[in-house]
Amino acid sequence: EDQVTQSPEALRLQEGESSSLNCSYTVSGLRGLFWYRQDPGKGPEFLFTLYSAGEEKEKERLKATLTKKESFLHITAPKPEDSATYLCAVQVTGSYIPTFGRGTSLIVHP
Amino acid sequence: NAGVTQTPKFQVLKTGQSMTLQCAQDMNHNSMYWYRQDPGMGLRLIYYSASEGTTDKGEVPNGYNVSRLNKREFSLRLESAAPSQTSVYFCASTILTGDEQFFGPGTRLTVL
Repeated sequence: EDQVTQSPEALRLQEGESSSLNCSYTVSGLRGLFWYRQDPGKGPEFLFTLYSAGEEKEKERLKATLTKKESFLHITAPKPEDSATYLCAVQVTGSYIPTFGRGTSLIVHP
Repeated sequence: NAGVTQTPKFQVLKTGQSMTLQCAQDMNHNSMYWYRQDPGMGLRLIYYSASEGTTDKGEVPNGYNVSRLNKREFSLRLESAAPSQTSVYFCASTILTGDEQFFGPGTRLTVL
């Protein structure tokens, strides 16, 4: 059975305190790994897609990386507006549907 | 472009009542999805439509039906609502299955 596990469940940071969120997966064949951001009361918003081990993508203070077993979302010098829940999802080769992790709730204090 | 729109935004039902959640996208996407999101459970797929004219069950289809009305619209119906169906429902679409998904704002449903 395909599994996606995100850690930690919740993370509190001070503004400017860099950290990383983890998404580990056990799937039979990875087609793609997706990161989304979800603000309270809203739908998830797409951030990145990673397809192969070693790939990295950046957007402002966020950088996503991928290995054969896990992905990291690195947040550099976060600001309070980065507070949100970050979701990871994996798409398996030959499947029409992604499997989502349960998310990491990030709070950045000013 | 409005992206993915959902109606209604909020709904309260009594046990046994029926209702239809509406979803539409204006991005010319081929695939559409219905999820439910519950605290501590993450997003769980209810049904999806890989292309116009097809629908398939996801992880938690019991108690729901769907209709892919045309390429733009994908509705979710609760025939006889139960308290266990209290949740936030999200519709999503993708250009093709396997691509990044675009989500609607959600429908918050309470079943009493």
